[in-house]
Amino acid sequence: ETGVTQTPRHLVMGMTNKKSLKCEQHLGHNAMYWYKQSAKKPLELMFVYNFKEQTENNSVPSRFSPECPNSSHLFLHLHTLQPEDSALYLCASSQDTGGGYGYTFGSGTRLTVV
Amino acid sequence: LAKTTQPISMDSYEGQEVNITCSHNNIATNDYITWYQQFPSQGPRFIIQGYKTKVTNEVASLFIPADRKSSTLSLPRVSLSDTAVYYCLVGEGAGGYQKVTFGTGTKLQVIP
Repeated sequence: ETGVTQTPRHLVMGMTNKKSLKCEQHLGHNAMYWYKQSAKKPLELMFVYNFKEQTENNSVPSRFSPECPNSSHLFLHLHTLQPEDSALYLCASSQDTGGGYGYTFGSGTRLTVV
Repeated sequence: LAKTTQPISMDSYEGQEVNITCSHNNIATNDYITWYQQFPSQGPRFIIQGYKTKVTNEVASLFIPADRKSSTLSLPRVSLSDTAVYYCLVGEGAGGYQKVTFGTGTKLQVIP
């Protein structure tokens, strides 16, 4: 365990389904992130939250909807996804968004859209 | 944004020292250099971070020349379990980790 827990580890969903990914950290970090990693592609930053406020949306389609109720929890709500959205979705946290301490990543959720 | 360039892949035999160099020519004054390791279907794991000169921990060493335009991750006596993708990140600056971009990383294959 890295201190960042993601659930579920694996998810298969149809294009008309609605599902949510959950991320939880108790490291005392104030910044949380969602990343997408598709096969043979670099990690893509999706969203950044700092002290529960969204500070970055990297042109992510509206079928991905993040929620950060507090500094310890981060959700990614999914609806009407496409097969090309199949990927490893990674959550990370850091002390703050300043970058001086590094990220702690979770193990990810492997999402398959059928 | 400070962009990084790394070799796409490297092979090494077990027990050898491996050095992976990353170029970051437009690194900003307040940027840190951080290296991560990623195994398949797992999130990247922090290895080491530095600002200048040399940093060493129980896992690796990080060498940063005076101009900071490159850095070298050194893994002593690699084993098969070190087979992974290694990413070099540069960030802190304006927006810090909000602006950090992961590159394609270096895929290290350790050979028996």
